[in-house]
Amino acid sequence: DAKTTQPNSMESNEEEPVHLPCNHSTISGTDYIHWYRQLPSQGPEYVIHGLTSNVNNRMASLAIAEDRKSSTLILHRATLRDAAVYYCILRDVGNNDMRFGAGTRLTVKP
Amino acid sequence: NAGVTQTPKFRVLKTGQSMTLLCAQDMNHEYMYWYRQDPGMGLRLIHYSVGEGTTAKGEVPDGYNVSRLKKQNFLLGLESAAPSQTSVYFCASSYSTSGAPYNEQFFGPGTRLTVL
Repeated sequence: DAKTTQPNSMESNEEEPVHLPCNHSTISGTDYIHWYRQLPSQGPEYVIHGLTSNVNNRMASLAIAEDRKSSTLILHRATLRDAAVYYCILRDVGNNDMRFGAGTRLTVKP
Repeated sequence: NAGVTQTPKFRVLKTGQSMTLLCAQDMNHEYMYWYRQDPGMGLRLIHYSVGEGTTAKGEVPDGYNVSRLKKQNFLLGLESAAPSQTSVYFCASSYSTSGAPYNEQFFGPGTRLTVL
């Protein structure tokens, strides 16, 4: 299985943009890049996903490198509610087994 | 629309006792999953189901059994609990994968289980 590498922790100031990196150098051509986040004492929630092109939704943007060996989750204006553990996950089409790593713990300072 | 609910929220067992965790979803999802999360770690898949009456093993299935008798419910059983099964258990559900490049998983709030 292709693996992902994320920093253990990051800090951000409130209302500033946050760039959360993820390395996945062994990604295969059919792996989608998914991001989930887990707020304290809650189950994970879906954030965004992409294959090759950059993606935007109401929560965040996903920037994918041209060679697909890395990606960056972008929160445009961090709020205190965005403090969570963010997981970058590679998932092959039709694969039901999502492999969560340890993720990046984001701290947002007021 | 309650989404994914889990019962109970907390439970303490003694080694060797048995229990069943219940997961229910009201989104008419085909797929359901059970994960466990140990402190400081990501989630690991225990078992999953792609439809009523079907189950399959995930990454860490040993010591657990599951059943999917109704589409909306997915049960996780521990026949003889061990301290190593102390963890937070999350249930999730999703639409069928067929014909879709991905299927977002919706997670429940979790059950915190302690085995003494």
